[in-house]
Amino acid sequence: KNEVEQSPQNLTAQEGEFITINCSYSVGISALHWLQQHPGGGIVSLFMLSSGKKKHGRLIATINIQEKHSSLHITASHPRDSAVYICAVNKGGSEKLVFGKGTKLTVNP
Amino acid sequence: GAGVSQSPSNKVTEKGKDVELRCDPISGHTALYWYRQSLGQGLEFLIYFQGNSAPDKSGLPSDRFSAERTGGSVSTLTIQRTQQEDSAVYLCASSPWGTSEKLFFGSGTQLSVL
Repeated sequence: KNEVEQSPQNLTAQEGEFITINCSYSVGISALHWLQQHPGGGIVSLFMLSSGKKKHGRLIATINIQEKHSSLHITASHPRDSAVYICAVNKGGSEKLVFGKGTKLTVNP
Repeated sequence: GAGVSQSPSNKVTEKGKDVELRCDPISGHTALYWYRQSLGQGLEFLIYFQGNSAPDKSGLPSDRFSAERTGGSVSTLTIQRTQQEDSAVYLCASSPWGTSEKLFFGSGTQLSVL
């Protein structure tokens, strides 16, 4: 079993829909990262969380340390949000990120 | 520079040849990481540099892989005697201190071993 599990693997939505991507992990962590990888391959760091909730524009990330679970929400989704969203965790104190396999999001106009 | 720069963007080589991949991190970033993304696979940690400390090489898949970081800035990942299974995108990232902060990724080097 992977230490970081994401769901769903693939997600198709209509423009304007509210999107939720989930990440569960089975190890103690010091931080969790949400990354976005566009079809061209470039990776952008969206959030780094160690507790609570962060918001940036239409994106919201939450983490529940006790339940070992994080969610990434996209409000009012747009076709330009189409990308692979990757969850990654630092295993307690380690600098070695462990990555989920990603969630491929397609937002149709 | 404005971001993390990697070169070359694409590299095609023959099995058995050595290759060098370069990463130029954001100025002032002390932490530098190399990752690998094989086709259809997730990202995989390779090596981590922090300032002048000894690097964490625990993710390097074999002794054909090595990396160095000169002067705490530019890093080179070297793969000796390349094999077809080395074909992947090699990504470099840097951060001001470590993974307790946001990472900034380069565009990657697509390595194809024929």
